[in-house]
Amino acid sequence: QQQVKQSPQSLIVQKGGISIINCAYENTAFDYFPWYQQFPGKGPALLIAIRPDVSEKKEGRFTISFNKSAKQFSLHIMDSQPGDSATYFCAALPGRGFNKFYFGSGTKLNVKP
Amino acid sequence: DAEITQSPRHKITETGRQVTLACHQTWNHNNMFWYRQDLGHGLRLIHYSYGVHDTNKGEVSDGYSVSRSNTEDLPLTLESAASSQTSVYFCASSDTVGGTGELFFGEGSRLTVL
Repeated sequence: QQQVKQSPQSLIVQKGGISIINCAYENTAFDYFPWYQQFPGKGPALLIAIRPDVSEKKEGRFTISFNKSAKQFSLHIMDSQPGDSATYFCAALPGRGFNKFYFGSGTKLNVKP
Repeated sequence: DAEITQSPRHKITETGRQVTLACHQTWNHNNMFWYRQDLGHGLRLIHYSYGVHDTNKGEVSDGYSVSRSNTEDLPLTLESAASSQTSVYFCASSDTVGGTGELFFGEGSRLTVL
């Protein structure tokens, strides 16, 4: 059973539009929620992360929105660019220490020029 | 610069053969992980290690083994390769104490089992 559910599986957005990727979890022990970005032929790399003591975190055009009561979090990419075309993974981590991540199934984003 | 390297990057093998994928990190991280990536399944954890001589099974460990004899290396062995093990394999590492929780990934090893 997948611990973190991610949707959609694929997403096509026009340049300048907003890309939204959603994730949901059940385990209330999770307390760290990172997003990873993966370009073709490369390994995933940390994009942005949030802890549940805040409802939103913004870094440039990337924002995580976090709803603790609903156990959902989402990635918003504002002013999407073709260079943002990649696969995005959400993840959850049950507390510090041993870093055993649970990943979503991934979203392939295609930003059209 | 510290890094994590995987080898080989591409390998084709036959069913039943033993295959070893190497992973070497120079971050001096305690934690190391092996994932496989398949379309529709995302990243699934195969094995992981929290330090030298420590190894643990992940969610898809059947048919795979690892050993950790030093901090830098965590080789992944497929004892008898099967077509279902055709996949892209990623090694990753992270720090334990005081870390941000960030996983650092290698560039992947694409394995084809014929």
